[in-house]
Amino acid sequence: GAVVSQHPSRVICKSGTSVKIECRSLDFQATTMFWYRQFPKQSLMLMATSNEGSKATYEQGVEKDKFLINHASLTLSTLTVTSAHPEDSSFYICSARRPRGGAGDEQFFGPGTRLTVL
Amino acid sequence: AQSVTQPDIHITVSEGASLELRCNYSYGATPYLFWYVQSPGQGLQLLLKYFSGDTLVQGIKGFEAEFKRSQSSFNLRKPSVHWSDAAEYFCVLVSGGYNKLIFGAGTRLAVHP
Repeated sequence: GAVVSQHPSRVICKSGTSVKIECRSLDFQATTMFWYRQFPKQSLMLMATSNEGSKATYEQGVEKDKFLINHASLTLSTLTVTSAHPEDSSFYICSARRPRGGAGDEQFFGPGTRLTVL
Repeated sequence: AQSVTQPDIHITVSEGASLELRCNYSYGATPYLFWYVQSPGQGLQLLLKYFSGDTLVQGIKGFEAEFKRSQSSFNLRKPSVHWSDAAEYFCVLVSGGYNKLIFGAGTRLAVHP
C-alpha cells in the first residue's frame, strides 16, 4: 500500500516561533496533498489543498498567512505554522492523493503531528 | 448542505459481539462514501468505500457497510469484534470532485474482553 510520512511526529515550541511540518509520499507521486487539523476528540477539518507547483487553496476561515503551505515536489508538502500561539496547538494530519483517475483516487494519510505551543 | 452525521460518539462492545456504527449523510447527488479507522500513532486507514453499484460493500478486517439511499445511511458492520478493533471510526463523504473529504465527528469504539 501507499505510505505517507510526517515529520516531526511531535513538536513543542514557544509562543511566537514558527514550526515546519513535512509530509512525504514515500512510494508514489502526489500532485495533490491535503492538510487537516484535528482538535482533541473531534473530527478532521480540511485546512487547505496543496497542488504541486502552484499556490495552495485554503478553506474558509483558515489564515493563509499563518499556515504557509509549500508543495515543492511531487512527494513533499510542508506546512509552516508562523508565529505560533497556544490556540494553534492541535494535531495536524496530511494526506496525499494517489491519482488513478476520478472516483478511483484515494487519499493516504500520514500519522499526524502533535503541535504544542507553550 | 453537504454533511456527515455519526450519532454515536462512543460505543462499547464485548469481544466477539457484533457491531454496527451508524452514519447518515446529506448530499444532493449520488454520494461517494468511505469509512476510515484511526488508531493511536497510525495514520487513518481506509476500511471500505462506496461509489456505485452493489449497495453492500465489503472491506478489510472483516468489515462491511450497506448504502441505503432511502435512509441516507451508510452503516458499518462487523459480525464479531476483536480487541484490536478498538479505535476511532470516521464516516467520510467525498465532495468537490474527489478532492474534499467531509468527515463525520467520529465514533470511538471500546472493546471489553
